[in-house]
Amino acid sequence: ETGVTQSPTHLIKTRGQQVTLRCSSQSGHNTVSWYQQALGQGPQFIFQYYREEENGRGNFPPRFSGLQFPNYSSELNVNALELDDSALYLCAIGLAGGQETQYFGPGTRLLVL
Amino acid sequence: DQQVKQNSPSLSVQEGRISILNCDYTNSMFDYFLWYKKYPAEGPTFLISISSIKDKNEDGRFTVFLNKSAKHLSLHIVPSQPGDSAVYFCAAPPTSGTYKYIFGTGTRLKVLA
Repeated sequence: ETGVTQSPTHLIKTRGQQVTLRCSSQSGHNTVSWYQQALGQGPQFIFQYYREEENGRGNFPPRFSGLQFPNYSSELNVNALELDDSALYLCAIGLAGGQETQYFGPGTRLLVL
Repeated sequence: DQQVKQNSPSLSVQEGRISILNCDYTNSMFDYFLWYKKYPAEGPTFLISISSIKDKNEDGRFTVFLNKSAKHLSLHIVPSQPGDSAVYFCAAPPTSGTYKYIFGTGTRLKVLA
């Protein structure tokens, strides 16, 4: 049981604000990836963290940043929010080197007005 | 550039019949594919995978077929059950041993009782 949790579940922000989303799990999986899923789209890879370092990034601007903590929990920070940032944000945990076993949290739905 | 495509946004099937969900890809370097299932308010959950060295992988009611020459894979669900109603995503890691998955846009399957 990996028990991936994300908080908050829903969030409303206004354009230009900053937001921090959180992800945690009960297990010791050492990678965490963040995805953005816009309405009607598949999840888009934002970045991945391994051993507290960013280990790969998708096509997202620097105002998307993250942290991974020693207890494997993670944060996604988004500065200068734009309307198009409205989406479901998913975190996924896994073990480095594995391709198959990636466990997703339920997501945080962000609405930017 | 959408490297993984699911051209059918939705599919309705009668309970007990076969559900066939399709996925096309453009990058011939992909060597591993996964299918995820997503229920509302939950994160995607891993369903089944296939390596490019195989053309078929079966797990219970779920079978994935891979046609490398056509760059096409399909997920068969037999027999379909109402609990299978969900959004199905195919995904591929562009680099082996990573979680930098590229997801398709998803197909919403509705199994009618």
